[in-house]
Amino acid sequence: AQSVTQPDIHITVSEGASLELRCNYSYGATPYLFWYVQSPGQGLQLLLKYFSGDTLVQGIKGFEAEFKRSQSSFNLRKPSVHWSDAAEYFCAVVGAEYGNKLVFGAGTILRVKS
Amino acid sequence: DSGVTQTPKHLITATGQRVTLRCSPRSGDLSVYWYQQSLDQGLQFLIQYYNGEERAKGNILERFSAQQFPDLHSELNLSSLELGDSALYFCASSPRPGGTETQYFGPGTRLLVL
Repeated sequence: AQSVTQPDIHITVSEGASLELRCNYSYGATPYLFWYVQSPGQGLQLLLKYFSGDTLVQGIKGFEAEFKRSQSSFNLRKPSVHWSDAAEYFCAVVGAEYGNKLVFGAGTILRVKS
Repeated sequence: DSGVTQTPKHLITATGQRVTLRCSPRSGDLSVYWYQQSLDQGLQFLIQYYNGEERAKGNILERFSAQQFPDLHSELNLSSLELGDSALYFCASSPRPGGTETQYFGPGTRLLVL
């Protein structure tokens, strides 16, 4: 079955440290890939998206993600984490095998320690 | 602020009751999506409307229904409520209905069924 996997439920990093959140998808072709962030009590905000072209995508708030077809991955990275980045992060995909609807991973909760 | 508004913010009701959640999309957006976020199911797509017509259906229960009105606002109706319906319900909107469209999420309605 088609799915989106975020293997880390929680991640804790120190402020100023680098961050990588993992996302793997199961899909026959290249889907459209997204990362969203949800701050406590807020809706979801789009960080970045990948449809085609350059496999390294820049987003808002200093985030970037790299699409790796061979690994079916779309990991989110940030070189230096700020305390305000503490939130829950969702990877999502859209593709024909997903019925062209947005399918979310289970999310990764990021904690930032000072 | 995404420009998507949802009312009410919080709703507490009893089992067996019926509630209506309301969503106003961003100005100019013709497509509206409903999602349910719960601890056990995660973020799940329920249903999509485009310019007043149902466009796609996800894991929406038969007890739930939705519609999009001529002014493009949408309502999600939940009836015969069960304890398991307690969740955060998000509305999102996009200019067009396609998979590459960025979906802008509202702040959500938190439903508690007692």
